[in-house]
Amino acid sequence: AQSVSQHNHHVILSEAASLELGCNYSYGGTVNLFWYVQYPGQHLQLLLKYFSGDPLVKGIKGFEAEFIKSKFSFNLRKPSVQWSDTAEYFCAVNADNTDKLIFGTGTRLQVFP
Amino acid sequence: EAQVTQNPRYLITVTGKKLTVTCSQNMNHEYMSWYRQDPGLGLRQIYYSMNVEVTDKGDVPEGYKVSRKEKRNFPLILESPSPNQTSLYFCASSKLAGGADTQYFGPGTRLTVL
Repeated sequence: AQSVSQHNHHVILSEAASLELGCNYSYGGTVNLFWYVQYPGQHLQLLLKYFSGDPLVKGIKGFEAEFIKSKFSFNLRKPSVQWSDTAEYFCAVNADNTDKLIFGTGTRLQVFP
Repeated sequence: EAQVTQNPRYLITVTGKKLTVTCSQNMNHEYMSWYRQDPGLGLRQIYYSMNVEVTDKGDVPEGYKVSRKEKRNFPLILESPSPNQTSLYFCASSKLAGGADTQYFGPGTRLTVL
């Protein structure tokens, strides 16, 4: 069965620090990959997605993610975080364009001024 | 404004008292789904619907029912709620099947079953 692992459960950073959140999935075929963000008290919204093409994808608010097929990974990065990036981040994977989207357990990011 | 709405936003109920959480989208999306979010478990899909009158089970369907009589609405029904269904529930919609498209999420319904 497909699964998604987010090994960082809780990350605490100071403003201007660099961020990398890990996401690994278990599926050997074609995948669609997503990062969603949930700001405090708000609903989930799309940060970025990868379907095909350039494995380095850029999203909103300066975030980017790199798809490394050989490592089954889709890590999220941001060079310099801001206090407003405090949120919970979810990686999600779909295999072979099926109906289902599998979410990771989420990473809670706290950024202190 | 394109959006997914859910009602109620907060609900406290007692074991066994039937309840319905409504979900509506105004984007003419064909695909809709329900998720529950629990600490440490992320989002897990309860049910999804590919179109009117077409629904299927997700990963955690036990204790829930859904219906899709109209394209815009996808209510979640708990016939006999139990405390282990205390959770944060999200409805989502997308134009294409859930894995091949961006999901648009509702604001969430926080349910407490006593």
